[in-house]
Amino acid sequence: DIQMTQSPSSLSAAVGDRVSITCRASQSIGSYLNWYQQKPGKAPKLLIYAASTFQTGVPSRFSGSGSGTDFTLTISSLQPEDFATYYCQQGYSPPETFGQGTKVELK
Amino acid sequence: QVQLVESGGGLVKPGGSLRLSCVASGFSFSDYYMSWFRQAPGKGLEWVSYISSSSSYINYADSVKGRFTVSRDNAENSLHLQMNSLRAEDTAVYYCARRSSAWNYFGSWGQGTLVTVSS
Repeated sequence: DIQMTQSPSSLSAAVGDRVSITCRASQSIGSYLNWYQQKPGKAPKLLIYAASTFQTGVPSRFSGSGSGTDFTLTISSLQPEDFATYYCQQGYSPPETFGQGTKVELK
Repeated sequence: QVQLVESGGGLVKPGGSLRLSCVASGFSFSDYYMSWFRQAPGKGLEWVSYISSSSSYINYADSVKGRFTVSRDNAENSLHLQMNSLRAEDTAVYYCARRSSAWNYFGSWGQGTLVTVSS
């Protein structure tokens, strides 16, 4: 199975901050990388697929980049509703494994 | 709109069984791979099983292989997970999710159903 490693595991930030989360795959996955947001008690919500394509309705302050093994999710200006846990997921080969998550907390 | 509704969770003793169901609506269920994921309390997302659109391809995480069985009924737009020989470490919220045809992302999820394995 392909292993996905996110960093950091958690971060503290203020409203308006620029935040970046990194995801590394254990082998090249091309652009088969997807990002999700999860809030407590809720199912994950797809934000970005194919490394950089927005899901419908996702605010433009979210962006994704990268290919191969290294990927980044960036939130350009953190909003109160963005405090959540973020997961990357590879879609290159089954099983479609997730990273361990990055919790974004209020500083 | 796409909707996935899980049911069947609950409290069960170690060694017991449960059958989870996921009923789909708002899309052509028979066209899509479906997966089960779980999330233990305070932990991350763990893939459990997937099943192809025609049930030809099925796979399980090592942690559940031999104990869990996934199935689907395309006529009833339903997905199932039969869980036997349950262990305390199977305690989690279980989600069904629809896999996209391209890029293999999961754009639609159920609300989750809690399975608690405890004596």
